[in-house]
Amino acid sequence: DAGVIQSPRHEVTEMGQEVTLRCKPISGHDYLFWYRQTMMRGLELLIYFNNNVPIDDSGMPEDRFSAKMPNASFSTLKIQPSEPRDSAVYFCASSSQGSTNEKLFFGSGTQLSVL
Amino acid sequence: GESVGLHLPTLSVQEGDNSIINCAYSNSASDYFIWYKQESGKGPQFIIDIRSNMDKRQGQRVTVLLNKTVKHLSLQIAATQPGDSAVYFCAESRPGGGNKLTFGTGTQLKVEL
Repeated sequence: DAGVIQSPRHEVTEMGQEVTLRCKPISGHDYLFWYRQTMMRGLELLIYFNNNVPIDDSGMPEDRFSAKMPNASFSTLKIQPSEPRDSAVYFCASSSQGSTNEKLFFGSGTQLSVL
Repeated sequence: GESVGLHLPTLSVQEGDNSIINCAYSNSASDYFIWYKQESGKGPQFIIDIRSNMDKRQGQRVTVLLNKTVKHLSLQIAATQPGDSAVYFCAESRPGGGNKLTFGTGTQLKVEL
């Protein structure tokens, strides 16, 4: 398996622009998580899905952030409009409820810079 | 509030020595703990995990110890190598948490030659 695949790896945009981050989870995994990582706040859970349904979005900073999972193999995290304080590394991770633990498998992340 | 935190932000060890990275958690309901390693420019990678019904688990060169009495866990790395240099995170989950992990702030491990 190729693991969790995220795109793009790097995104540089200007304040006010829309940003869309993409994630393909590991095939067969029924949980998908979006995390944001910054030096100041570490790894923060933004939202997670189970069987394509959002379960907990309490970590989403504000209405500018939205996430979708139209099918089991694809999810997007959108920021509109983007702001400089959104600059961070965004990670997608997936896991399987059928496993005996809650081990998450992470993608390589998207480094977002909002100028 | 509930949190998972680390005692030291940076740990420097000599190559070949053993490393011990500590982590404290505050929620006694947490029943699953996991250590991740994150190298620069990469996503976190699983190292080892442990359930609350155990107090020790060993892997290849790594051991996790869990002390539920004081809500503390540690990651021990034997014969630390330069490739072990990374940030190490502990994370926890609790029953009914829906596979959700809460991460600590991380410890930077630096291996000196």
